[in-house]
Amino acid sequence: GAVVSQHPSWVICKSGTSVKIECRSLDFQATTMFWYRQFPKQSLMLMATSNEGSKATYEQGVEKDKFLINHASLTLSTLTVTSAHPEDSSFYICSARTGGRGNEQFFGPGTRLTVL
Amino acid sequence: AQSVTQPDIHITVSEGASLELRCNYSYGATPYLFWYVQSPGQGLQLLLKYFSGDTLVQGIKGFEAEFKRSQSSFNLRKPSVHWSDAAEYFCAVATGANNLFFGTGTRLTVIP
Repeated sequence: GAVVSQHPSWVICKSGTSVKIECRSLDFQATTMFWYRQFPKQSLMLMATSNEGSKATYEQGVEKDKFLINHASLTLSTLTVTSAHPEDSSFYICSARTGGRGNEQFFGPGTRLTVL
Repeated sequence: AQSVTQPDIHITVSEGASLELRCNYSYGATPYLFWYVQSPGQGLQLLLKYFSGDTLVQGIKGFEAEFKRSQSSFNLRKPSVHWSDAAEYFCAVATGANNLFFGTGTRLTVIP
């Protein structure tokens, strides 16, 4: 149980275009989802916390107008990278949290974004 | 403020040898501690977690970790490493706000 999927697994786009990444909890309802960014050979950096039905909370330094997050249902959150540029190229990972003890997060497989 | 330190960036061990990956944390309250493993180009898989109780925690794939409050440590161990264990390992602490903070990771190389 507790499976999280992401789509697409990889995407290549031209500079200036927008890209949408989906994160789904397949077998549980997630009131909270998280979006992380991971640069090569580095750790995961939390970008934002997304609660179903409310606005996302962004970490300091993350541009909310550039990284649009929508958490429309208890099983789906989307991250849209608007007007993508090469410096946005990265590995984006989402996670979903159940309401259980310790609030364990379950991670998706990640999305590799390459902006040309 | 919370922080997680993994002092070893890269560790190389021979297959069959024992393994210990170090993790130190800084957090004012009782921490929730986690170890995750990441294979190249993949997401994170939870190996084990500590919330409370027995300080020696058993996880999947033969891993275990020991919480030592006096040393603010949560080191990961495995008695005999397999080639398939080669990956990146992340220690993480969950705060009162239930957000995860990750260490910088330790890359494990296993040589035959």
